[in-house]
Amino acid sequence: GAVVSQHPSRVICKSGTSVKIECRSLDFQATTMFWYRQFPKQSLMLMATSNEGSKATYEQGVEKDKFLINHASLTLSTLTVTSAHPEDSSFYICSAREGGRSTDTQYFGPGTRLTVL
Amino acid sequence: EDQVTQSPEALRLQEGESSSLNCSYTVSGLRGLFWYRQDPGKGPEFLFTLYSAGEEKEKERLKATLTKKESFLHITAPKPEDSATYLCAVRGGGSNYKLTFGKGTLLTVNP
Repeated sequence: GAVVSQHPSRVICKSGTSVKIECRSLDFQATTMFWYRQFPKQSLMLMATSNEGSKATYEQGVEKDKFLINHASLTLSTLTVTSAHPEDSSFYICSAREGGRSTDTQYFGPGTRLTVL
Repeated sequence: EDQVTQSPEALRLQEGESSSLNCSYTVSGLRGLFWYRQDPGKGPEFLFTLYSAGEEKEKERLKATLTKKESFLHITAPKPEDSATYLCAVRGGGSNYKLTFGKGTLLTVNP
């Protein structure tokens, strides 16, 4: 149980284009989903938190207009990197927390490697 | 601000050589301490959640313990497949279930 998928696993795009990453909870309903960014040999940095049907809450320093997050259903959240530039190249990972349970555990997806040329 | 410090940064063990990883934390109102395992190029895999001092949890060769200031991940008789980065994270008393992660310990187990 508690499986989270991400698509695509890897994407290469040209500078200036937009990229959408999907995050799905496959066997549970995710009240809250999270988006992280991870640079090589560094830990996970939270970018934003989204609750189903609500606007995302962004961490300080994260550009809302560049990283668009939509949590339209209890099993799907999307992250769109708009007008991507080489400095946006990174490993993006989503996680999901099952709603209605006392546990706070977040289950992570496999990650998406974004390379902007 | 919640803070998590993991040590050592890297640890090399021989197969069968038991050891412990440390996670020290400062948090306002601990709501949970989490251990994850991360393999290269993959997302973190959930291992344990601990909620209160004195709590212990075990899974195969791993055992996690918690005090008011730190947590230990004990690895008994490790195997090469235990090689990975082990991440510790805390959830404080703030809202929306935000986790603060440490930088991780890179464990290498040689056969």
